[in-house]
Amino acid sequence: EAGVAQSPRYKIIEKRQSVAFWCNPISGHATLYWYQQILGQGPKLLIQFQNNGVVDDSQLPKDRFSAERLKGVDSTLKIQPAKLEDSAVYLCASSLQGYSPLHFGNGTRLTVT
Amino acid sequence: SQKIEQNSEALNIQEGKTATLTCNYTNYSPAYLQWYRQDPGRGPVFLLLIRENEKEKRKERLKVTFDTTLKQSLFHITASQPADSATYLCALGAGGGADGLTFGKGTHLIIQP
Repeated sequence: EAGVAQSPRYKIIEKRQSVAFWCNPISGHATLYWYQQILGQGPKLLIQFQNNGVVDDSQLPKDRFSAERLKGVDSTLKIQPAKLEDSAVYLCASSLQGYSPLHFGNGTRLTVT
Repeated sequence: SQKIEQNSEALNIQEGKTATLTCNYTNYSPAYLQWYRQDPGRGPVFLLLIRENEKEKRKERLKVTFDTTLKQSLFHITASQPADSATYLCALGAGGGADGLTFGKGTHLIIQP
């Protein structure tokens, strides 16, 4: 089966600019997650979707971050405006259901200068 | 607040020996625990899942234990090989609808030939 696809692989922007990341999960996976991984840290959950709906966005900085999952498949994560502390790898993951393992993409490495 | 602790420093093990990684948690009652492997520049890859009512799980050279009284999981790699060198992440799941995992910082394991 094809894995989780993410693009772009790398992105460099200046602070106060906007950026968007795209994710295509494994076919048939109802649950989609966006994680932020800062260098030397473990992944931190930003938002979880179940099909089209948001299940958990308690750690999403909603003043600058937004995410959507159209038609219950692809998802985009947007940052506007970006801050220096947003420099991190943004990982997308999908799973079949609760208790299921997460399948991660290789992430987008964002550098904010 | 919830806290997950893993060996903060790199763990150096000689090839052929058993590597044991520790995951301790506080202020959390997980329904299950998962271990992931992460290589540089890649997303985490699922290894093992153990539920709260299970004491031990095995998969080939891997073994994980889960002690909910001690609030600790141990992850063992027997007959370690240089190819096992990676960062290993412990992740806790609450179960239910909002089942996004909470990750530890990870332990960097180095298997020396």
